[in-house]
Amino acid sequence: AQSVTQLDSHVSVSEGTPVLLRCNYSSSYSPSLFWYVQHPNKGLQLLLKYTSAATLVKGINGFEAEFKKSETSFHLTKPSAHMSDAAEYFCVVRWGSQGNLIFGKGTKLSVKP
Amino acid sequence: DAMVIQNPRYQVTQFGKPVTLSCSQTLNHNVMYWYQQKSSQAPKLLFHYYDKDFNNEADTPDNFQSRRPNTSFCFLDIRSPGLGDAAMYLCATSARGENTEAFFGQGTRLTVV
Repeated sequence: AQSVTQLDSHVSVSEGTPVLLRCNYSSSYSPSLFWYVQHPNKGLQLLLKYTSAATLVKGINGFEAEFKKSETSFHLTKPSAHMSDAAEYFCVVRWGSQGNLIFGKGTKLSVKP
Repeated sequence: DAMVIQNPRYQVTQFGKPVTLSCSQTLNHNVMYWYQQKSSQAPKLLFHYYDKDFNNEADTPDNFQSRRPNTSFCFLDIRSPGLGDAAMYLCATSARGENTEAFFGQGTRLTVV
């Protein structure tokens, strides 16, 4: 079955240090990949998406993600965390033009002063 | 500027009393989704519309129904809310196509008393 796995349920970093949130997917072919962020009691906001144009994708708020087909991964990174980055992050996958969005279980990012 | 609008943001309903949540969009997207999100969990797809075609997830309880009278509006009806239905309900839309992202509303927080 097609699935997406976020390897860490909770990541804690200090302000100003790098952020790495990991995501792997299972598929025999490349899906569309997205990262969303959700702040408490809010909807989901798109950070970035991979659509096969380039393997390194830049998103909003300084986030970027690299698609690695050989590793079936799409990890999210940011060079320097801000307090405002504290939120829940979801890796989301879509297979095919009419495929539904498949959510990972989410990673809660905490940022310490 | 709001593109996917959910009303109300907070809804309190009595156990067993029917409740309707609404969603509207200004994006003219073909696809509309309803997700249920419980605390510290990923959103769970309840159903979606592809134009007028209704697609119910296999494990969505019969207690949940939906209506889409036109492209812009979609409703979630909970016929007899139970305590276990208390959750955040998220509406999302997307255009056709494999690489299209979903746009989410701010959500409706449902409390059942």
